[in-house]
Parts: sequence; structure tokens; C-alpha cells
Amino acid sequence: DAKTTQPPSMDCAEGRAANLPCNHSTISGNEYVYWYRQIHSQGPQYIIHGLKNNETNEMASLIITEDRKSSTLILPHATLRDTAVYYCIVRVGGDYKLSFGAGTTVTVRA
Amino acid sequence: EADIYQTPRYLVIGTGKKITLECSQTMGHDKMYWYQQDPGMELHLIHYSYGVNSTEKGDLSSESTVSRIRTEHFPLTLESARPSHTSQYLCASTTLTRRGIEQYFGPGTRLTVT
Repeated sequence: DAKTTQPPSMDCAEGRAANLPCNHSTISGNEYVYWYRQIHSQGPQYIIHGLKNNETNEMASLIITEDRKSSTLILPHATLRDTAVYYCIVRVGGDYKLSFGAGTTVTVRA
Repeated sequence: EADIYQTPRYLVIGTGKKITLECSQTMGHDKMYWYQQDPGMELHLIHYSYGVNSTEKGDLSSESTVSRIRTEHFPLTLESARPSHTSQYLCASTTLTRRGIEQYFGPGTRLTVT
């Protein structure tokens, strides 16, 4: 899987949008970008994924640059319950294994 | 909503004991995984299975073993627990949906070996 780079930590104000960047400059054409989060030692939770197009679901939006070398996860209205470690992962479509990096520790402050 | 269960949630046990961590899912997923995570550290894949009677070692070497006799059940066993095995163990399963591959995790077992 392509290596991803994320900032180790970031703070966000409650009610504001949280924009989480991820660099994956060596991504290949058949690799998807996945985002998971882990809330304090619970099992990671799937958030969203995409290949080329921007994606949105009830939890977040995923913006992928045209060259696919980076992406941004957007939490539109962060709440205190969004405090977690967020993992950006790239994986080949047919590969079912996940490789987690260090992720970004997001702290939402009141 | 994913239904994947792990027992026990917490286990404190002495060195040398044999332990089995249970993982089960009711979703009929073929693919299941075990991850190990030390506090504040990254998750590491230690075992996975793509179906009954299929098991493989993951990226991180582990002294544990797994079995997959039934689709819904993927237990992990340590024959002789040591303090170095103290960690959190997370079980997961994967399904392919119309949106793509989605992986669901259990709540984890926090193991302490004294």
C-alpha cells in the first residue's frame, strides 16, 4: 500500500469545520483512499472512502485532489464526540487488509 | 450497524497461562482479522483469515495462533502468556458493499499479563 503522511495532531473548535489533510504522493491508479477514526481505545470506525471523485456521507466529506496525491477529510460541524485519532489509509481495491499508520489526533475543544 | 463481539473485554492473567480471546460476528463475513495495539501506538495486523480453514500471519510477528473452523468465529490463542503479550487485541471483519470494502471492528480485549 502507498505510504500516507498526516499531521500528528490538530485542534478544532466545537461547531466549526475540521479539515484533516493527508498526503499520499505515491498512490497508484487502483488504490482507494480510506478514512477511519478511533475513539479512545475503541475499535476503529469506518468513516468514508473514495477513488477519484469527492465523496460525502452522513459523517464527513472527502476531497481528493485531481492528481490524487493528497486528500482532505472534512467534518462539517465538529462536536466533542469527534475527538479521536483519524487514520488515512490507501489500499488496492481488491486487497482487504488495512495498514494503519500513526494517524492524526484531533481534539475538539468547547 | 456491525455486529462483531469480543470476549473478554478485560483480562488479567499470570505468566505461563494459556488464554483464548474470542471473536465472533453475525454478519456472515468471510474475511476476519486480528490487530494488536499498545497504548498510544499504532495498530498492527497479526493474523487474518479469508474463510473457513484459511489463516495467515499478518505484518507483525506474533506468538499467538488463530483458527477458523466456522465463518462466524475467529479465536486467538496464546499457549503461554508472557508480560510482553500485554496489549489490546482488536478483531475485525470485512464486507464488500456497493460502496466498496468496509471493515468493522469489535470493542477489543485489553490483556494484562502479570
